[in-house]
Amino acid sequence: QVTLRESGPALVKPTQTLTLTCAFSGFSLSTTGVCVSWIRQPPGKPLEWLALIDWDDDKYYSTSLKTRLTISKDTSKNQVVLTMTNMDPVDTATYYCARSGIVGATYYFDYWGQGTLVTVSS
Amino acid sequence: DIQLTQSPSSVSASVGDRVTITCRASQDIGSYLAWYQQRPGKVPKLLIYTASNMQRGVPSRFSGSGSGTHFSLNISSLQPEDFGTYYCQQVNRFPHTFGQGTRLEIK
Repeated sequence: QVTLRESGPALVKPTQTLTLTCAFSGFSLSTTGVCVSWIRQPPGKPLEWLALIDWDDDKYYSTSLKTRLTISKDTSKNQVVLTMTNMDPVDTATYYCARSGIVGATYYFDYWGQGTLVTVSS
Repeated sequence: DIQLTQSPSSVSASVGDRVTITCRASQDIGSYLAWYQQRPGKVPKLLIYTASNMQRGVPSRFSGSGSGTHFSLNISSLQPEDFGTYYCQQVNRFPHTFGQGTRLEIK
């Protein structure tokens, strides 16, 4: 059974760094082709793709946010971590992690975490 | 970045109606497009991948078509549980962008 769960602070202050953890089970990020991504959704707004890390430790980022984002994995702990620096109120959103690499043998998200709401406010 | 433009932004339809949502890419993405359904307060759910392949467990009234820059999601006979917002996503090139969403309301 595949599960993903996001965790991190619910509230951060402007200019702080956000660290989110995606803990997953039911698959391994060392399996060829498997990837984990982060996606966010501000309240009432569309989904926004943020970053992806694959089984081979290749990393890809949103163009507009790449200077602020770092994605990493700990395969032994079955975790993926996203850090976002210099947080701003416009970064208030629900942050999701999701698995890809199985369906269609490419980057489609077949399992998502429940999401974690992060509010940026002083 | 590849831009995805969905139309319409919102649609209201009756149970039993046929609904079509389109997604246009700013450049050729082959068939590397997915459709997701997101009900209010819920996690997105994969419906269609590689433009026309149905994900397991998705009702057969959902279908996808298209290639290159023009794609469509069709719901052949709308059901009450189909309300929500539908997103297209391209995975042809990083970053993997989403469309702005189409909100589907049931009359």
